[in-house]
Amino acid sequence: DTAVSQTPKYLVTQMGNDKSIKCEQNLGHDTMYWYKQDSKKFLKIMFSYNNKELIINETVPNRFSPKSPDKAHLNLHINSLELGDSAVYFCASSRRRDSLTDTQYFGPGTRLTVL
Amino acid sequence: AQSVTQLGSHVSVSEGALVLLRCNYSSSVPPYLFWYVQYPNQGLQLLLKYTSAATLVKGINGFEAEFKKSETSFHLTKPSAHMSDAAEYFCAVSDSNDYKLSFGAGTTVTVRA
Repeated sequence: DTAVSQTPKYLVTQMGNDKSIKCEQNLGHDTMYWYKQDSKKFLKIMFSYNNKELIINETVPNRFSPKSPDKAHLNLHINSLELGDSAVYFCASSRRRDSLTDTQYFGPGTRLTVL
Repeated sequence: AQSVTQLGSHVSVSEGALVLLRCNYSSSVPPYLFWYVQYPNQGLQLLLKYTSAATLVKGINGFEAEFKKSETSFHLTKPSAHMSDAAEYFCAVSDSNDYKLSFGAGTTVTVRA
């Protein structure tokens, strides 16, 4: 049973389109994250939610909008896609937001290609 | 803010040889440090973490890391490389200001037969 799952695994789309990536965790964790991994494999946090509340919002264009319908789900919606949005997007979760030592569990990633 | 620097973006080792991946941290407060591994086309998986209990930390798949405060380092080692160790390895540090995980740039490990 997959702990953190993401759909779709691959997403190829044209510039200007709007797309969504879904994430679900079945670990009972309170906190979920979105990361972006660029072509050089550098990982950067984008957002974090704790019990459906946004707690981290890095400097990300407002074309990116996370939504958490419940604490087990964190979706990422991207409007007006640009070439520079091409990357691998990872969802992750951890038990609590206020622990420095909690392990983050990562999903398998969604490879987004914008043409 | 805390940060980590991984020295060497690419390490190539022979099967059976020592694997040594270097990570140095910068922190004004006691750090909590992590090593994650990313196999091709997969998500990240925790190898081990330092949480101030013991300076020598043992992880999965025969990896270990030693926290050295005097050198601000948290290098990852494995005595004998296996072909299955070929992957991307990331060092990361927790930030006590906002509980974020900050990653290094990663080190690609290739294992030669």
